[in-house]
Order: sequence, then structure tokens, then C-alpha cells
Amino acid sequence: DTAVSQTPKYLVTQMGNDKSIKCEQNLGHDTMYWYKQDSKKFLKIMFSYNNKELIINETVPNRFSPKSPDKAHLNLHINSLELGDSAVYFCASSQSRETGNTIYFGEGSWLTVV
Amino acid sequence: GQQVMQIPQYQHVQEGEDFTTYCNSSTTLSNIQWYKQRPGGHPVFLIQLVKSGEVKKQKRLTFQFGEAKKNSSLHITATQTTDVGTYFCAPDFGNEKLTFGTGTRLTIIP
Repeated sequence: DTAVSQTPKYLVTQMGNDKSIKCEQNLGHDTMYWYKQDSKKFLKIMFSYNNKELIINETVPNRFSPKSPDKAHLNLHINSLELGDSAVYFCASSQSRETGNTIYFGEGSWLTVV
Repeated sequence: GQQVMQIPQYQHVQEGEDFTTYCNSSTTLSNIQWYKQRPGGHPVFLIQLVKSGEVKKQKRLTFQFGEAKKNSSLHITATQTTDVGTYFCAPDFGNEKLTFGTGTRLTIIP
């Protein structure tokens, strides 16, 4: 069974549209993350939630809104998509919020905005 | 500020040659992790280093943490085609935010 699963895997959409990416982890972890990886492969943290509570919110446009209905799910909604939003978005989880825990990544969602 | 530099950004080696990537921090780290991302894949945890001067080995991979806990390296002996991918260090500055280095993309020439 996949530990961290995210859907969809591929998403092609037009500028201005709104889209969501869903993420679920079955590891029983308390902490979940969204990372963005651009074309140069840089991995940047966007958000982190611990037991449904937002703990990290990097400098991300407010068009991006994460939602955590429970500690096993962390979804990402993006409004008014722009060309620069094209990237791979990785959901991830860890046992707890303390760094030093292993981060488990989902397989990624390839978003292309045209 | 808390910054980490990972070098080189790219490395092309002949199969069988050795490879090393370095991660250098401007401040002392609590610990450091290393991840590997295969082409088209997702980052996968390799190892964590905690102690000053620590050296850990995984088959052909050798990981080192500097005495001052500001630098780390990953060395691969006798690379194979399966080693292809991007290697990321993930330094822990002790602020509950695990950031990643810029990565070193390794390609192997058969």
C-alpha cells in the first residue's frame, strides 16, 4: 500500500482556472507538508500542518490554500492559476513536527498551466 | 541567515568513476539528512547524520558530517547506472522546518 498518495498525478489546465490536489497518508503521522519543485529541481517547502494545525506557511501567494480535514489528509487548492505555477507538487509526511524525522514523499503531482 | 549551499549542481561521470556532493551551511546544524530522487520519481530518504564527525556507509555510499556540524558530504564509489538521480541534503537548523539543498544532479555515462 502506498504510504503517501496524492491525486491527480498529472494535471494540465488553463490559466485562470482553479484546481485542487489531494493528499492522504496512511502512516499515522502527525505532520504533513506541501513542497513545490520547479524545473530546476529546487525543492521548496510551502506549508506544514501538525495535527490539522498550520505550523509553517512560507511566502506563498494567497492563491494557494491548504486544507487539512484530519491529520491523515492535506489538500492543496490553487485559485486563478498562473503560468509560473507549473511545477511538481509533492505532498509529504513525518512522524512529528520535530525535524530529525524522516520525510516520506508522495509520488508528486505534475501541474502544467497553459 | 540560515543558508545551505550544495555543490556541484550537476555532475556527469563515467560509469565506474567516483562521485561526491557537498553540502555547506553557514551555521551549525542539529543534524542533516540525505535524500535521493530518481528521474521522474520522488525524494527518498537515504540517511541521517547527527554526531560531529560522524561517518556512515551504505554499500558504495559514504556519508560524512563535519566536525563543526556545518558541512556534510555524500561519496559514491564506482558509480553504476542505478545511481542516476538528484541527491539532496536536508539540513536541520533546529527550527522545525526541514529545508532542502539545491540538489546535485548525477548522470552516468555508460
